[in-house]
Amino acid sequence: NAGVTQTPKFQVLKTGQSMTLQCAQDMNHNSMYWYRQDPGMGLRLIYYSASEGTTDKGEVPNGYNVSRLNKREFSLRLESAAPSQTSVYFCASSRTGGDNEKLFFGSGTQLSVL
Amino acid sequence: TQLLEQSPQFLSIQEGENLTVYCNSSSVFSSLQWYRQEPGEGPVLLVTVVTGGEVKKLKRLTFQFGDARKDSSLHITAAQPGDTGLYLCAGAGGGGFKTIFGAGTRLFVKA
Repeated sequence: NAGVTQTPKFQVLKTGQSMTLQCAQDMNHNSMYWYRQDPGMGLRLIYYSASEGTTDKGEVPNGYNVSRLNKREFSLRLESAAPSQTSVYFCASSRTGGDNEKLFFGSGTQLSVL
Repeated sequence: TQLLEQSPQFLSIQEGENLTVYCNSSSVFSSLQWYRQEPGEGPVLLVTVVTGGEVKKLKRLTFQFGDARKDSSLHITAAQPGDTGLYLCAGAGGGGFKTIFGAGTRLFVKA
């Protein structure tokens, strides 16, 4: 069972470059999320998509854009990368967005911006 | 702003020892979850506690939700090297979609 698949696994960018992180889930989940994880700060929500066709800002959306391409896929784009965006990025999905819902995470993308 | 503080930040113990890690907040949550994350992987859900005072057991792991639903603890009995990882608590209560995560407790169990 694939679950949540993220690509790429690692990426190095120069300041100002752009890139898109891809995420796909095969569990027929309605809701999808992008988090970043920094040392000592836990996981912080960047954007989420409650259902296909909708996206909303999370705690730290500045510098990012997202696209819910279809029910399976949710991409995260950095238009002009900055060193402050060096982090590990996780995509997650859940059946719905309810408070007790289990989040299923991908294995992460380690991004370095030089 | 809701915050979850976890303690200790780092714990290194010998196999067979018991330990407790804590997750505290000044905010009330409708539920708290505990996840475990291994290096190079995403977090994996261990348990969800919903009712104040609730205790759940998962083999050697015991999870408790505080009576006021502001805190939680995870107790591991007779820790094993396989328990090594980052333990994250996560709180819900923002109307869905905005689960808040603590910074985690990094546990290392030495054989």
